[in-house]
Amino acid sequence: VRLSESGGGLEQPGGSLRLSCAASGLTFSMYAMNWVRQAPGKGLEWVSGISGSGDRTYYADSVRGRFTISRDTSKSTVYLQMNSLRAEDTAVYYCAKDPDSMVRGRMDVWGQGTTVIVSS
Amino acid sequence: QSVLTQPPSASETPGQRVTISCSGSDANIGTNTVNWFQQLPGMAPQLLIYRNTQRPSGVPDRFSGSKSGTSASLAISGLQSEDEADYYCAAWDDSLNGPVFGGGTKLTVL
Repeated sequence: VRLSESGGGLEQPGGSLRLSCAASGLTFSMYAMNWVRQAPGKGLEWVSGISGSGDRTYYADSVRGRFTISRDTSKSTVYLQMNSLRAEDTAVYYCAKDPDSMVRGRMDVWGQGTTVIVSS
Repeated sequence: QSVLTQPPSASETPGQRVTISCSGSDANIGTNTVNWFQQLPGMAPQLLIYRNTQRPSGVPDRFSGSKSGTSASLAISGLQSEDEADYYCAAWDDSLNGPVFGGGTKLTVL
């Protein structure tokens, strides 16, 4: 099982970015997926999760209303659309899967991360 | 400030045993199971313990987890230099409707 994130980069405050996470080696629709971030020198912060079927989504209070998680089973890819970016969104963003179709926060496989920098 | 509370650092000599605590509340640890993650320097996190006490395949039995009430602990016995890493606890929080992490504990093997 492999997760590969992309889409990070430098963006101005108020701007938008879309992160992607391509999964391989698994039946994608069977697993919930999460985004977890780590600001420079800081700890882990769960950002968002989506169920295996895509019918349930969850967000941290810090991003609710600004970020949207979605998934495309045909591409085995999960996305994180990030709008109204703030300096405090600067972090490495990891994609991580749950062991079944429910979002549990028991992430058993992680990607290597993609870096988002929000700065003018 | 993290929802779950961990000591920021811990240290012990090789071969010894160290314990890392994780304190929460009825909304998270008191009601739901605890998972532990290990993050080696410069690497992505990896699952170390799930459902309070279970080890994924490949994790040595030197690592063990426990839970009592609204607190949990990670114990590492027979410490090795390669255990030097950041350790995070996590649990689902019923009030926040999502998983929450501890602030992390940096383990130094002296």
